[in-house]
Amino acid sequence: KAGVTQTPRYLIKTRGQQVTLSCSPISGHRSVSWYQQTPGQGLQFLFEYFSETQRNKGNFPGRFSGRQFSNSRSEMNVSTLELGDSALYLCASSPTSDGNEQFFGPGTRLTVL
Amino acid sequence: AQTVTQSQPEMSVQEAETVTLSCTYDTSENNYYLFWYKQPPSRQMILVIRQEAYKQQNATENRFSVNFQKAAKSFSLKISDSQLGDTAMYFCAFMKQRGYGGSQGNLIFGKGTKLSVKP
Repeated sequence: KAGVTQTPRYLIKTRGQQVTLSCSPISGHRSVSWYQQTPGQGLQFLFEYFSETQRNKGNFPGRFSGRQFSNSRSEMNVSTLELGDSALYLCASSPTSDGNEQFFGPGTRLTVL
Repeated sequence: AQTVTQSQPEMSVQEAETVTLSCTYDTSENNYYLFWYKQPPSRQMILVIRQEAYKQQNATENRFSVNFQKAAKSFSLKISDSQLGDTAMYFCAFMKQRGYGGSQGNLIFGKGTKLSVKP
């Protein structure tokens, strides 16, 4: 089985722009979670989707949003980018409905200039 | 709120030796999961081992085993016969078991321990 894939792998944007990141879960996995990883804050939970519904959301501003499609693929969007949004964004999928075994993708490295 | 603490920012071990990484957590929950994830320099996060809190038996996966002390809220990872490929950041993580209403399910991570295996 193919693993979790994320596109693009690297992205450079400027302040004020918006960005969309994509995640394709492992085949058969319906739970998708997103995390932000920075040197200062470490790994922080963004949101979780299951069957196209957002089930849980972390403590991030409304500029961060996401969605999940019927094929379980997920996207996250960040609007009005700030320098502090520079991070590695990780997507994880889970074969279980409660998400208790998460498999991560390689991440998207976002740099905001 | 739950917190996870990894008190060893960096560790090193000689190849073929054994090393133990520490993790403590704070929670008032009784039902939860604990995990160790490995993130090699290539950045792909890999699940190493998982422990359900209701199980008294410590989880084991090949050379990796845990020492789960629920009362002490401690969850250490032991790596036996260390290999060069074990060089990575290791993250301890907590997840509250999803209850009725589905309000939980996200991983809470510690800051990580950077492990270097030396030849």
